[in-house]
Amino acid sequence: SQTIHQWPATLVQPVGSPLSLECTVEGTSNPNLYWYRQAAGRGLQLLFYSVGIGQISSEVPQNLSASRPQDRQFILSSKKLLLSDSGFYLCAWSVFEGLETQYFGPGTRLLVL
Amino acid sequence: AQSVTQLGSHVSVSEGALVLLRCNYSSSVPPYLFWYVQYPNQGLQLLLKYTSAATLVKGINGFEAEFKKSETSFHLTKPSAHMSDAAEYFCAVSDGQNFVFGPGTRLSVLP
Repeated sequence: SQTIHQWPATLVQPVGSPLSLECTVEGTSNPNLYWYRQAAGRGLQLLFYSVGIGQISSEVPQNLSASRPQDRQFILSSKKLLLSDSGFYLCAWSVFEGLETQYFGPGTRLLVL
Repeated sequence: AQSVTQLGSHVSVSEGALVLLRCNYSSSVPPYLFWYVQYPNQGLQLLLKYTSAATLVKGINGFEAEFKKSETSFHLTKPSAHMSDAAEYFCAVSDGQNFVFGPGTRLSVLP
């Protein structure tokens, strides 16, 4: 069966520091991968999605970036964090089961101080 | 373009009462529809999905949803709420590739 991992689970970082969040998927190959952000009390905002290695699409302008160095690895990065980057970051992968269905990881809680 | 609205950002029900969470969508193509549940500090878990095979879809944890094309709705129901149902619920619409999530409804279950 497929599983998705995210780490770290929780992160507290100062403003201006760099960021690296990692997401890996097991049990599938060539998945579509997604990064979402969920700000406190708000819905899901799609940040990036990837259909393959090195292929990244960005949904919103921001100081975050994403990379996909391996088929089942998706990384979210920033060179300098802002206070507004605080939130709950969710990685998801999708599989075609009659239709494209998204499955989510456990999330990373990021607090920027 | 697709969109999803969820009426009521917060719904409270008593334990044992009917749960009804509303979802309306707009889509220029026949939609695929989903309900997800999110417990505190966890990721989203798929509850059920509509694939056009049947208008009444049964999901996990006793939830079900009915697709009504004429009303562009996909409301989520459960006959009897349990304390463990307290969570945030997200409706989503897809055209087969692109997902759009609703803003979510927080369900509280009162003893």
